[in-house]
Amino acid sequence: AQSVTQLGSHVSVSEGALVLLRCNYSSSVPPYLFWYVQYPNQGLQLLLKYTSAATLVKGINGFEAEFKKSETSFHLTKPSAHMSDAAEYFCAVRRQGDNDMRFGAGTRLTVKP
Amino acid sequence: DAGITQSPRYKITETGRQVTLMCHQTWSHSYMFWYRQDLGHGLRLIYYSAAADITDKGEVPDGYVVSRSKTENFPLTLESATRSQTSVYFCASSESMGREWNEQYFGPGTRLTVT
Repeated sequence: AQSVTQLGSHVSVSEGALVLLRCNYSSSVPPYLFWYVQYPNQGLQLLLKYTSAATLVKGINGFEAEFKKSETSFHLTKPSAHMSDAAEYFCAVRRQGDNDMRFGAGTRLTVKP
Repeated sequence: DAGITQSPRYKITETGRQVTLMCHQTWSHSYMFWYRQDLGHGLRLIYYSAAADITDKGEVPDGYVVSRSKTENFPLTLESATRSQTSVYFCASSESMGREWNEQYFGPGTRLTVT
């Protein structure tokens, strides 16, 4: 079975500080990994995805994530937080051959002025 | 370019009533999905459809019914609503699953309250 664990349901950072949102996965086969962002009262938007082409993936809005097989992790980072980054972030995993995608419980990011 | 739309955006219904949530996409995507979002659980898959007239259960299908007579529409019906079905429901679509890294595109969600 595949699953996703997001460490920390709430993360608070100051504007300009590093953003680090943690995601660990379990999968018996190489996974495809995704980060989505959800702004208030909106649906989910794709930030970035890992497709095995490169371990460091760059996404929209200055976010990036690194796939580390040895740690089964896919943490999301951004060097300098903006107020507009305040949102809920979801990590998701899909295994090869599966039709469904499994989501983590989400991490709510707060950015303080 | 409407993309993927859901209606209604907000719905209040009573226990035991039937309610249908609508989902429409304009991309002709093969795959469509219904998720529910609850605090602490993230998104959980209810049902999905690979094409018109092809549907399959997800992680939490009990109490829900889906149909897909046309590629662009994927309604979700709660046959007899219960309070535990109070949630935010998201519809999503995706191109062919032949490439698993294809992303899913999400609608804006329907907030359903069952009283």
